[in-house]
Amino acid sequence: ETGVTQSPTHLIKTRGQQVTLRCSSQSGHNTVSWYQQALGQGPQFIFQYYREEENGRGNFPPRFSGLQFPNYSSELNVNALELDDSALYLCASSSTSEDIQYFGAGTRLSVL
Amino acid sequence: SQQGEEDPQALSIQEGENATMNCSYKTSINNLQWYRQNSGRGLVHLILIRSNEREKHSGRLRVTLDTSKKSSSLLITASRAADTASYFCATVSSASKIIFGSGTRLSIRP
Repeated sequence: ETGVTQSPTHLIKTRGQQVTLRCSSQSGHNTVSWYQQALGQGPQFIFQYYREEENGRGNFPPRFSGLQFPNYSSELNVNALELDDSALYLCASSSTSEDIQYFGAGTRLSVL
Repeated sequence: SQQGEEDPQALSIQEGENATMNCSYKTSINNLQWYRQNSGRGLVHLILIRSNEREKHSGRLRVTLDTSKKSSSLLITASRAADTASYFCATVSSASKIIFGSGTRLSIRP
């Protein structure tokens, strides 16, 4: 077990709704990254937070936003959900931006 | 789009044989990491190799890195049924961007 926990484990939403996914980092880690993984694909980097500031972003539209809190836990918010947003969303924490990523088990989001 | 491209996409070998997976990438990197993922679960870090290193070992794993060819390989020796999983390479650049490849699905036949 990595010590990174994500909630919820599964979620079903309809198109146009908004969703918030949560992640608790491993103790001592100040960096959290979020990934989207479609079925049969590798994880796609969404963004990274370091000490509550966004510290790098992948090719995702602004309706994907995030927050990191003083205790280094994090949220991923997705507005105006689209069918293609259906995927496994993975959170990973690390002690620096280049360091080993410790992943949670993920949240599986289904958009109907 | 994904920077790392793994080859092969799928690999099926007999238990006890060695498995080799390759990863190619496009831009300069600070380090390259390999991860494994059991079906539908989170990824587990296996090994990290820095851009100034050429080879690294960890147990039954051997990783090589050729920065001139922008490629890396992961060798798993004496494979076991429990090695069945998807394997991903991930490149880390100075821009703090972590980019995963598309993965190799490894199946070990008993």
